[in-house]
Amino acid sequence: GEDVEQSLFLSVREGDSSVINCTYTDSSSTYLYWYKQEPGAGLQLLTYIFSNMDMKQDQRLTVLLNKKDKHLSLRIADTQTGDSAIYFCAESLNQAGTALIFGKGTTLSVSS
Amino acid sequence: DTEVTQTPKHLVMGMTNKKSLKCEQHMGHRAMYWYKQKAKKPPELMFVYSYEKLSINESVPSRFSPECPNSSLLNLHLHALQPEDSALYLCASSQDPGAKNIQYFGAGTRLSVL
Repeated sequence: GEDVEQSLFLSVREGDSSVINCTYTDSSSTYLYWYKQEPGAGLQLLTYIFSNMDMKQDQRLTVLLNKKDKHLSLRIADTQTGDSAIYFCAESLNQAGTALIFGKGTTLSVSS
Repeated sequence: DTEVTQTPKHLVMGMTNKKSLKCEQHMGHRAMYWYKQKAKKPPELMFVYSYEKLSINESVPSRFSPECPNSSLLNLHLHALQPEDSALYLCASSQDPGAKNIQYFGAGTRLSVL
């Protein structure tokens, strides 16, 4: 079945790196996504990775994908207080018309 | 431009009211979605429209009625809601409903049912 797991909380100090982890169960996943949700706001697409890639970097964000272990991570370098939010991992299955399967979200708290 | 616009931002309604939520995108996307999100939870899919036709209805109660008047607009008509329907309603769109399903979300409508 389809399931996406994330740890619920992460607390870091400003300037440190944050690593948010995610595991998924469906090996037919084609795309995996990271969304950010600030309090009271909608979901902002941060980045995505295709399942045949191992890594993707975009400015302060680095996504690592271990397809064998079905493990996805998001690293935020030089974490800022503005990065405090809930981060959702999501997968898109290899079926037309299928919507995203979301994890429960990781709340990142950044202290100054 | 990856903007999905939702109106209104906030809505308070009684259980006997009829109201509508609106969603608009001008990215030429052919798939549009309604999600419901409770506090501290991930979004839950309600409906998917693909090429203006309803393709997925996730067993949503009939008091929620979606409508896709054209490829840029998506409405959610609300009638006789219950207090437990209070939530953030999110609209999203993607270029097409295929495997590369990159969905862009609006800011949501925060609905309170009294």
